[in-house]
Amino acid sequence: EDQVTQSPEALRLQEGESSSLNCSYTVSGLRGLFWYRQDPGKGPEFLFTLYSAGEEKEKERLKATLTKKESFLHITAPKPEDSATYLCAVQLLGNQGGKLIFGQGTELSVKP
Amino acid sequence: GAVVSQHPSWVICKSGTSVKIECRSLDFQATTMFWYRQFPKQSLMLMATSNEGSKATYEQGVEKDKFLINHASLTLSTLTVTSAHPEDSSFYICSASLPRGSLAKNIQYFGAGTRLSVL
Repeated sequence: EDQVTQSPEALRLQEGESSSLNCSYTVSGLRGLFWYRQDPGKGPEFLFTLYSAGEEKEKERLKATLTKKESFLHITAPKPEDSATYLCAVQLLGNQGGKLIFGQGTELSVKP
Repeated sequence: GAVVSQHPSWVICKSGTSVKIECRSLDFQATTMFWYRQFPKQSLMLMATSNEGSKATYEQGVEKDKFLINHASLTLSTLTVTSAHPEDSSFYICSASLPRGSLAKNIQYFGAGTRLSVL
């Protein structure tokens, strides 16, 4: 069964305290892995997409990496405005119209 | 670019009535749109995939007659919750992907969501 697991479920950081969020996946064939940010009561906002092991993408304080089994979202010197739920999703090869399978998310809280 | 608009953002209705939610791609043509449901503190669960001009593909366990999806144009998909009941109360979110010829065709762009409360 195709599965996506994110850890930790919740993460509390002090402003400036760098950390990483994990997304592990077990799928029959990966077309792409996606990271989204979701603020309370809003729809997810696209951050990154990664397609092959070893690939890395960066945007401001965020950096996403991909291996054959997992992806990491590294947050460097976070600020309170980085507080949100971060969602990881996979898209399968030979898909099914491009649908995404989401993990449960990591709720990040950054305190000043 | 790639803006998806969803309306309404919040709706309250009485049990037994129907509610329609609209999802529009504002600056691109979306041949494929998706409808998700999200319960509090939980992730997004795909309900159905909507392709312009054809019938929607529903995920296992989703009632087709309960959640009617129409994708009549390349920029508009609608979800109608028929005969709504309190257990249908949830956060409904749509997304759209860019056309096949686009370099970013695999990326889904999401609307802001609709909070449905059924009394």
